Amino acid sequence: NAGVTQTPKFQVLKTGQSMTLQCAQDMNHNSMYWYRQDPGMGLRLIYYSASEGTTDKGEVPNGYNVSRLNKREFSLRLESAAPSQTSVYFCASIRLAGVYEQYFGPGTRLTVT
Amino acid sequence: DAKTTQPNSMESNEEEPVHLPCNHSTISGTDYIHWYRQLPSQGPEYVIHGLTSNVNNRMASLAIAEDRKSSTLILHRATLRDAAVYYCILRDPIQGGSEKLVFGKGTKLTVNP
Repeated sequence: NAGVTQTPKFQVLKTGQSMTLQCAQDMNHNSMYWYRQDPGMGLRLIYYSASEGTTDKGEVPNGYNVSRLNKREFSLRLESAAPSQTSVYFCASIRLAGVYEQYFGPGTRLTVT
Repeated sequence: DAKTTQPNSMESNEEEPVHLPCNHSTISGTDYIHWYRQLPSQGPEYVIHGLTSNVNNRMASLAIAEDRKSSTLILHRATLRDAAVYYCILRDPIQGGSEKLVFGKGTKLTVNP
């Protein structure tokens, strides 16, 4: 049981490049989330998926797209990276939103130059 | 979304108890109080949650005020490994998978040897 896994762990992009951050969970969880964390700040929700086939915007969705490929996988895409998207990105999942705890992945450190 | 207020930072000595406060004066009747912590360079991890009664688990205790407008996370004997940022979050299970967790800046706990 690997929990929540994220790839890659580190990435450096040039402004304007695109990339997809991958997230997978093997806990049969329904809901999945993408957060970003800037230095010294709390986490901010980018997008979430309450269940397979649904996605919705969070607090800071601009510049990102997501795909809930199946129940296990939830990807985050940057179509045209900007320096303001330099951050650490965390994926999380939860079996049943509400009482149950969220499980977080180890994060992806992204630098956009 | 109901908000929480926490001190930016706190310090403790090793093997002493630590009381981390959280104010949530606009909490609704269905909100659960959750605590997460984030160790350096890691994703957040669940610590404890409660609704009305005080709760204990192997990691910590949660004391909830009678009016539920505040709560306190108690680490009974702080260790160096407890140095982390602690987040107090309100979660409403009625929202089901549509809830948007709001992580503030949390409290950075420093544990002195």
